Amino acid sequence: GENVEQHPSTLSVQEGDSAVIKCTYSDSASNYFPWYKKELGKRPQLIIDIRSNVGEKKDQRIAVTLNKTAKHFSLHITETQPEDSAVYFCAARLWNNDMRFGAGTRLTVKP
Amino acid sequence: NAGVTQTPKFRVLKTGQSMTLLCAQDMNHEYMYWYRQDPGMGLRLIHYSVGEGTTAKGEVPDGYNVSRLKKQNFLLGLESAAPSQTSVYFCASSHRARGPGELFFGEGSRLTVL
Repeated sequence: GENVEQHPSTLSVQEGDSAVIKCTYSDSASNYFPWYKKELGKRPQLIIDIRSNVGEKKDQRIAVTLNKTAKHFSLHITETQPEDSAVYFCAARLWNNDMRFGAGTRLTVKP
Repeated sequence: NAGVTQTPKFRVLKTGQSMTLLCAQDMNHEYMYWYRQDPGMGLRLIHYSVGEGTTAKGEVPDGYNVSRLKKQNFLLGLESAAPSQTSVYFCASSHRARGPGELFFGEGSRLTVL
């Protein structure tokens, strides 16, 4: 079936360093790729998204890149801060409007 | 404007019992979803709905039923709960404009089946 692979499953960085999380998808008809941040005990919240007609999008310290040919997209967080610590989920919207998520990456930013 | 509200937030069931999780949204969204979150497996789609009166199966629909009788409500039912259904359940909704975009999630419902 259609799926989304996400790597790494855990990531630990020093405060101020950059963090990169990568996802691949299988449905070539996917055209919308959001990233969600989930803090402990809280609901997942959208932090950035990208549509298939764009290769890169940036919002302050967060950026997402998309390579449609290779079917992969990545989240980049620069100048990480302790409050960036959370579980991050990538997702891809399939041809039938089903939104499939990756397994998540637990990011820990050490002060 | 409460957004997406799920009830109950916690529930403990015995194997074989039934229950219903209620999701309500006040944003007039067309699309609604039920996901379950399990360690190491991310968010997996159980069922979803693209409008009032319509439902569709997601990735892991077995053992669950849903109904969307009103646009603002999406119910998830477990007819005969099993320990494998112990999980955290999230409801979400999104607007239909140019296809569903951002998902707005509820706070989650933690279900334990003994």
